[in-house]
Amino acid sequence: EIVLTQSPGTLSLSPGERATLSCRASQSVTSSYLAWYQQKPGQAPRLLIYGPSSRAAGIPDRFSGSGSGTDFTLTISRLEPEDFAVYYCQQYGNSPWTFGQGTKVEIK
Amino acid sequence: QVQLQQWGAGLLKPSETLSLTCGVFGESSSDYHWIWIRQPPGKGLEWIGDINHRGTTTYNPSLMSRVTISVHTSKSQFSLKLSSVTAADTGVFYCATKRVGHFGMDVWGQGTTVTVSS
Repeated sequence: EIVLTQSPGTLSLSPGERATLSCRASQSVTSSYLAWYQQKPGQAPRLLIYGPSSRAAGIPDRFSGSGSGTDFTLTISRLEPEDFAVYYCQQYGNSPWTFGQGTKVEIK
Repeated sequence: QVQLQQWGAGLLKPSETLSLTCGVFGESSSDYHWIWIRQPPGKGLEWIGDINHRGTTTYNPSLMSRVTISVHTSKSQFSLKLSSVTAADTGVFYCATKRVGHFGMDVWGQGTTVTVSS
Protein backbone atom coordinates (compact mmCIF):
# COMPACT_ATOMS: atom_id res chain seq x y z
CA GLU A 1 0.00 0.00 0.00
CA ILE A 2 1.25 3.48 -0.89
CA VAL A 3 1.34 5.75 2.17
CA LEU A 4 0.85 9.45 1.46
CA THR A 5 2.29 11.90 3.98
CA GLN A 6 1.07 15.48 3.79
CA SER A 7 2.89 18.45 5.26
CA PRO A 8 2.44 20.62 7.09
CA GLY A 9 -0.44 19.38 9.21
CA THR A 10 -1.73 22.92 9.61
CA LEU A 11 -0.91 26.02 7.60
CA SER A 12 -1.78 29.39 9.15
CA LEU A 13 -1.92 32.11 6.52
CA SER A 14 -3.70 35.37 5.74
CA PRO A 15 -5.97 36.03 2.75
CA GLY A 16 -3.88 37.03 -0.25
CA GLU A 17 -0.91 34.92 0.79
CA ARG A 18 0.47 31.95 -1.14
CA ALA A 19 -0.11 28.43 0.19
CA THR A 20 2.17 25.52 -0.64
CA LEU A 21 1.02 22.05 0.40
CA SER A 22 3.19 18.96 0.09
CA CYS A 23 2.28 15.31 -0.46
CA ARG A 24 5.00 12.69 -0.34
CA ALA A 25 4.41 9.07 -1.35
CA SER A 26 6.13 6.02 0.14
CA GLN A 27 6.73 4.75 -3.40
CA SER A 28 6.36 6.12 -6.89
CA VAL A 29 2.77 6.91 -7.88
CA THR A 30 1.89 5.02 -11.04
CA SER A 31 1.34 7.27 -14.05
CA SER A 32 1.19 10.26 -11.72
CA TYR A 33 -2.36 9.32 -10.79
CA LEU A 34 -2.45 11.85 -7.96
CA ALA A 35 -5.35 14.14 -7.08
CA TRP A 36 -6.07 16.91 -4.61
CA TYR A 37 -9.39 17.51 -2.86
CA GLN A 38 -10.76 20.35 -0.75
CA GLN A 39 -13.17 19.62 2.10
CA LYS A 40 -15.10 22.12 4.18
CA PRO A 41 -16.95 21.18 7.41
CA GLY A 42 -20.12 19.23 6.76
CA GLN A 43 -19.47 18.94 3.03
CA ALA A 44 -18.31 16.23 0.69
CA PRO A 45 -14.81 16.63 -0.70
CA ARG A 46 -14.42 18.56 -3.95
CA LEU A 47 -11.94 17.59 -6.66
CA LEU A 48 -9.45 20.36 -7.38
CA ILE A 49 -6.56 18.82 -9.31
CA TYR A 50 -5.88 15.44 -10.92
CA GLY A 51 -3.25 13.68 -12.97
CA PRO A 52 -1.40 15.57 -11.10
CA SER A 53 -1.55 19.03 -12.70
CA SER A 54 -4.93 19.23 -14.45
CA ARG A 55 -7.56 21.46 -12.90
CA ALA A 56 -11.03 20.00 -12.52
CA ALA A 57 -13.97 21.76 -14.15
CA GLY A 58 -14.80 25.09 -12.55
CA ILE A 59 -11.69 25.27 -10.37
CA PRO A 60 -10.08 28.74 -10.33
CA ASP A 61 -6.62 29.07 -11.82
CA ARG A 62 -5.15 30.18 -8.48
CA PHE A 63 -5.07 26.41 -7.73
CA SER A 64 -2.23 24.50 -9.37
CA GLY A 65 -0.68 21.08 -8.95
CA SER A 66 2.75 19.77 -9.79
CA GLY A 67 5.10 16.90 -9.14
CA SER A 68 5.86 13.36 -10.18
CA GLY A 69 7.19 10.13 -8.75
CA THR A 70 6.94 10.50 -4.99
CA ASP A 71 6.72 14.27 -4.48
CA PHE A 72 3.69 16.37 -5.29
CA THR A 73 2.65 19.93 -4.48
CA LEU A 74 -0.61 21.86 -4.42
CA THR A 75 -0.17 25.63 -4.67
CA ILE A 76 -2.82 28.25 -4.03
CA SER A 77 -1.34 31.44 -5.46
CA ARG A 78 -3.42 33.94 -3.50
CA LEU A 79 -5.71 32.70 -0.74
CA GLU A 80 -9.32 33.78 -0.92
CA PRO A 81 -11.57 33.62 2.18
CA GLU A 82 -13.36 30.56 0.76
CA ASP A 83 -10.07 28.62 0.43
CA PHE A 84 -9.66 28.03 4.15
CA ALA A 85 -10.42 24.33 4.45
CA VAL A 86 -8.81 20.90 4.71
CA TYR A 87 -6.94 19.56 1.67
CA TYR A 88 -6.29 15.89 0.91
CA CYS A 89 -4.05 14.28 -1.66
CA GLN A 90 -5.02 10.88 -3.04
CA GLN A 91 -3.30 8.35 -5.27
CA TYR A 92 -5.34 6.13 -7.56
CA GLY A 93 -2.64 4.44 -9.58
CA ASN A 94 -2.11 1.53 -7.22
CA SER A 95 -4.66 -0.51 -5.31
CA PRO A 96 -5.65 0.18 -2.61
CA TRP A 97 -6.26 3.83 -3.46
CA THR A 98 -5.04 5.89 -0.51
CA PHE A 99 -5.40 9.38 0.89
CA GLY A 100 -3.01 11.58 2.81
CA GLN A 101 -4.01 12.57 6.33
CA GLY A 102 -4.89 16.11 5.25
CA THR A 103 -3.53 19.64 5.61
CA LYS A 104 -5.71 22.23 7.30
CA VAL A 105 -5.34 25.74 5.89
CA GLU A 106 -6.52 28.15 8.56
CA ILE A 107 -6.82 31.90 8.82
CA LYS A 108 -3.90 33.47 10.64
CA GLN B 1 -23.17 15.98 -15.90
CA VAL B 2 -23.66 13.02 -13.59
CA GLN B 3 -25.17 13.60 -10.16
CA LEU B 4 -25.21 11.16 -7.26
CA GLN B 5 -27.76 10.86 -4.49
CA GLN B 6 -27.32 8.31 -1.74
CA TRP B 7 -29.54 6.78 0.89
CA GLY B 8 -29.60 4.05 3.53
CA ALA B 9 -29.99 3.30 7.21
CA GLY B 10 -28.12 5.65 9.51
CA LEU B 11 -28.31 3.78 12.82
CA LEU B 12 -27.12 0.22 13.22
CA LYS B 13 -26.42 -2.17 16.06
CA PRO B 14 -23.12 -4.03 16.32
CA SER B 15 -22.97 -7.14 14.09
CA GLU B 16 -25.61 -5.80 11.70
CA THR B 17 -25.02 -5.16 8.00
CA LEU B 18 -24.67 -1.65 6.67
CA SER B 19 -26.49 -1.15 3.39
CA LEU B 20 -26.26 2.03 1.30
CA THR B 21 -27.39 2.81 -2.23
CA CYS B 22 -26.23 5.54 -4.59
CA GLY B 23 -28.48 6.67 -7.42
CA VAL B 24 -26.91 7.94 -10.64
CA PHE B 25 -28.71 10.79 -12.39
CA GLY B 26 -27.86 12.43 -15.67
CA GLU B 27 -25.91 11.28 -18.67
CA SER B 28 -23.07 8.88 -18.09
CA SER B 29 -21.08 6.73 -20.41
CA SER B 30 -20.07 3.26 -19.40
CA ASP B 31 -16.46 4.19 -18.67
CA TYR B 32 -16.71 5.00 -14.97
CA HIS B 33 -15.56 3.74 -11.61
CA TRP B 34 -18.33 3.67 -8.99
CA ILE B 35 -16.71 4.23 -5.62
CA TRP B 36 -17.41 4.19 -1.87
CA ILE B 37 -15.37 6.19 0.65
CA ARG B 38 -15.80 6.70 4.37
CA GLN B 39 -14.70 9.23 6.96
CA PRO B 40 -14.70 8.50 10.70
CA PRO B 41 -15.71 11.44 12.92
CA GLY B 42 -12.98 14.09 12.92
CA LYS B 43 -10.65 11.99 10.78
CA GLY B 44 -9.51 11.64 7.19
CA LEU B 45 -10.85 9.83 4.15
CA GLU B 46 -10.62 6.10 3.53
CA TRP B 47 -11.28 4.40 0.20
CA ILE B 48 -13.56 1.38 0.75
CA GLY B 49 -13.58 0.06 -2.82
CA ASP B 50 -15.01 0.45 -6.27
CA ILE B 51 -16.60 -1.32 -9.19
CA ASN B 52 -15.53 -0.39 -12.68
CA HIS B 53 -17.19 -0.31 -16.06
CA ARG B 54 -16.36 -3.97 -16.64
CA GLY B 55 -18.00 -5.02 -13.39
CA THR B 56 -14.68 -5.69 -11.71
CA THR B 57 -14.62 -4.92 -8.00
CA THR B 58 -11.60 -3.84 -6.01
CA TYR B 59 -11.70 -3.56 -2.25
CA ASN B 60 -9.52 -2.10 0.47
CA PRO B 61 -7.71 -5.10 1.98
CA SER B 62 -8.56 -3.83 5.46
CA LEU B 63 -12.28 -4.28 4.73
CA MET B 64 -12.27 -6.92 2.00
CA SER B 65 -13.73 -9.73 4.12
CA ARG B 66 -16.81 -7.65 4.97
CA VAL B 67 -17.49 -5.52 1.86
CA THR B 68 -19.60 -6.03 -1.22
CA ILE B 69 -20.05 -3.37 -3.90
CA SER B 70 -22.46 -4.04 -6.73
CA VAL B 71 -23.99 -2.10 -9.60
CA HIS B 72 -27.58 -2.28 -10.79
CA THR B 73 -27.38 -0.94 -14.30
CA SER B 74 -31.07 -1.11 -15.06
CA LYS B 75 -31.85 1.02 -12.02
CA SER B 76 -28.87 3.37 -12.47
CA GLN B 77 -27.73 2.55 -8.94
CA PHE B 78 -24.79 1.05 -7.16
CA SER B 79 -24.66 -0.18 -3.60
CA LEU B 80 -22.45 -0.91 -0.62
CA LYS B 81 -22.86 -3.64 1.95
CA LEU B 82 -20.59 -3.85 4.98
CA SER B 83 -21.24 -6.78 7.27
CA SER B 84 -20.59 -7.31 10.97
CA VAL B 85 -20.32 -3.61 11.76
CA THR B 86 -18.79 -2.34 14.99
CA ALA B 87 -18.49 1.10 16.57
CA ALA B 88 -15.28 1.56 14.57
CA ASP B 89 -17.40 1.69 11.41
CA THR B 90 -19.20 4.83 12.58
CA GLY B 91 -18.72 7.77 10.25
CA VAL B 92 -19.83 9.48 7.07
CA PHE B 93 -20.01 7.31 3.97
CA TYR B 94 -19.75 8.86 0.52
CA CYS B 95 -20.40 7.48 -2.92
CA ALA B 96 -18.36 8.99 -5.73
CA THR B 97 -17.48 8.43 -9.33
CA LYS B 98 -14.59 9.05 -11.72
CA ARG B 99 -14.00 8.37 -15.37
CA VAL B 100 -11.60 5.58 -16.20
CA GLY B 101 -8.03 6.76 -16.57
CA HIS B 102 -6.18 9.69 -15.08
CA PHE B 103 -9.30 11.57 -14.00
CA GLY B 104 -10.02 12.21 -10.32
CA MET B 105 -13.25 11.65 -8.39
CA ASP B 106 -15.20 14.62 -9.65
CA VAL B 107 -18.74 13.75 -8.57
CA TRP B 108 -19.69 12.92 -4.99
CA GLY B 109 -22.86 12.03 -3.18
CA GLN B 110 -24.01 14.14 -0.28
CA GLY B 111 -22.79 11.69 2.33
CA THR B 112 -24.66 9.48 4.79
CA THR B 113 -23.88 9.52 8.49
CA VAL B 114 -23.84 6.01 9.89
CA THR B 115 -23.75 5.40 13.64
CA VAL B 116 -23.13 1.96 15.11
CA SER B 117 -24.32 1.75 18.69
CA SER B 118 -25.94 -0.82 20.92
